[in-house]
Amino acid sequence: GQQLNQSPQSMFIQEGEDVSMNCTSSSIFNTWLWYKQDPGEGPVLLIALYKAGELTSNGRLTAQFGITRKDSFLNISASIPSDVGIYFCAGQYAQKLVFGQGTRLTINP
Amino acid sequence: GAVVSQHPSRVICKSGTSVKIECRSLDFQATTMFWYRQFPKKSLMLMATSNEGSKATYEQGVEKDKFLINHASLTLSTLTVTSAHPEDSSFYICSATNRVRGNTIYFGEGSWLTVV
Repeated sequence: GQQLNQSPQSMFIQEGEDVSMNCTSSSIFNTWLWYKQDPGEGPVLLIALYKAGELTSNGRLTAQFGITRKDSFLNISASIPSDVGIYFCAGQYAQKLVFGQGTRLTINP
Repeated sequence: GAVVSQHPSRVICKSGTSVKIECRSLDFQATTMFWYRQFPKKSLMLMATSNEGSKATYEQGVEKDKFLINHASLTLSTLTVTSAHPEDSSFYICSATNRVRGNTIYFGEGSWLTVV
């Protein structure tokens, strides 16, 4: 089946640092999505990418859809404590989503 | 506020009993909803596609007789875990697609199931 490889699995950073995470896939997706999930809650959409090569920003977040449509990255600039959580990439086919394994972000104040 | 609501948010049931989880789209109609399962510290795995007015489509390895899905209306899908066992304890999350808003996918808040 389709799988997404997300890295790193976890990150421990200082407040104010920039963060970068990425996802790769052996399959092509038409849409890449990045979600944040807080403990005990459902995922919340951060950024959606619809075109190969697309670079999209949402505040301090920037994500890019790879040219090959098999990869994507998410950057968070100037991290703050509320950025703590688990970040998931997801590739969309039809209306279904395939999720990466997640990146757990921990921020030291 | 939430556009997809799940209920209950937490449920504890005894082994052998059945438990129903509801997923509602609050301000849009969803002909298709999806059910995901998430184990602690793991990713979300698609279980099944819930189709309004027809049978659900299950992913490989998901027991259809174990996880009954009913999509009786355009705003409601239910997941019933039958004859629950402790290994069924998990976080169950539904999603619905708003086709009017560019096929935006919305997730419910999730439901924690603990089988004791």
